[in-house]
Order: sequence, then C-alpha cells, then structure tokens
Amino acid sequence: DAGITQSPRHKVTETGTPVTLRCHQTENHRYMYWYRQDPGHGLRLIHYSYGVKDTDKGEVSDGYSVSRSKTEDFLLTLESATSSQTSVYFCAISDRASTDTQYFGPGTRLTVL
Amino acid sequence: AQSVSQHNHHVILSEAASLELGCNYSYGGTVNLFWYVQYPGQHLQLLLKYFSGDPLVKGIKGFEAEFIKSKFSFNLRKPSVQWSDTAEYFCAVPNQGGKLIFGQGTELSVKP
Repeated sequence: DAGITQSPRHKVTETGTPVTLRCHQTENHRYMYWYRQDPGHGLRLIHYSYGVKDTDKGEVSDGYSVSRSKTEDFLLTLESATSSQTSVYFCAISDRASTDTQYFGPGTRLTVL
Repeated sequence: AQSVSQHNHHVILSEAASLELGCNYSYGGTVNLFWYVQYPGQHLQLLLKYFSGDPLVKGIKGFEAEFIKSKFSFNLRKPSVQWSDTAEYFCAVPNQGGKLIFGQGTELSVKP
C-alpha cells in the first residue's frame, strides 16, 4: 500500500463547528486529492492540489477549503460543518499526472450532528 | 461533460459464477481507464487499468477488463467469482479537465 495516512479516522462534531482533516503521504507524489464518498454517488472530488500552495476546486467544493504548505500534507477544512457534510472522506495521491493511477488513504468517517 | 455509467448497482452471484460489470463513458477522448475495488470497511484499491496497447487488460485476483473504443465501454469480467470478491467496484475515467471521475459503484455480493 502507498504510504498515506489520514487523521482523524473517525470524528463526530456538531453543526457550525470548524473541522480539519489531515492527509499525510510519504511517497513524494505531486498530486493530492480530497474526495467524499456517499451512498449512490460514488466518489466526488472536493479539491485537489498539483503542488505546494497550488490547489483548485473539484465538483463539490462549496463549504470546504484546503491548504498544502508541504509536499507531504494536504489539509481539508470544513469551515462551518453541516449535516450534509456527514460522509466518508478519502485522500488520494498520484505522481505524474492527474489522470495517473491514484492511491487512496484509509478514509475518515465524519458525522455532523 | 464527461459522464460515467455503471449499469448494475447491486449484483448477487453464487460462488463460481461468472461476472461481468458494465462501465460506459461519454467522452471519446478518454485514454486512461480504471477499475477500483473497495472491500467492506476498507479504502479503494486499484484492480486494473488501461492506458494503451492491448485492449484486454488483466488485473489482480483474476480480474480482466476489455476496452471497446467504439462502444465507449470498459467492462470488468471474472470467469469464476469467490466469496472474497464481495466488495464494491468503481469504474473511473478522466473528464475533459483531466480529473478522474468515478461511477456510482456496483456492489457485488457473492454467496458461498
């Protein structure tokens, strides 16, 4: 398995609170991604990064922000969590291109009450 | 815009049955095609991929997929499934913006 860790692995929070999820990789891959997985929707891209300090929006970016200050770390922040953001969040990495093989982290299960 | 369609949402098979899961996409410029598998409670793992060359691609655990350009399809097959193949399977293709998009997934249940 690729060296990808996510923290926390599980989190329960309340509506309106900020939440930050962390993805850490040891592969030195250029591209990093945040997806959410919901039943019936597959995986949907939230934000991605193509280098340090270089990020862009995916298809479901509203209510989320990201930061990448180091190659190995990609943070996802829910600025004010809502119940609709209850989901499983996966981080992924790829090396040479955004259409290259992506390797996934173990996921974070977030529940917003 | 690119779309990915997995026709079967839930497939139930008995062990030793043959499997074929459909995947169709709409953007003809696609070149990189993927199947991922997610075992219960785990993350997505690469099953197989097609980038170029022989359109019949072999992956791990006896899975294979055939790229048919004229049909915009990349169907996944396995001649004889096992109980351990119980999982959710995702097809993924790039969109015009160079990002992977995933199908809705097909849940496979294999009865022992």
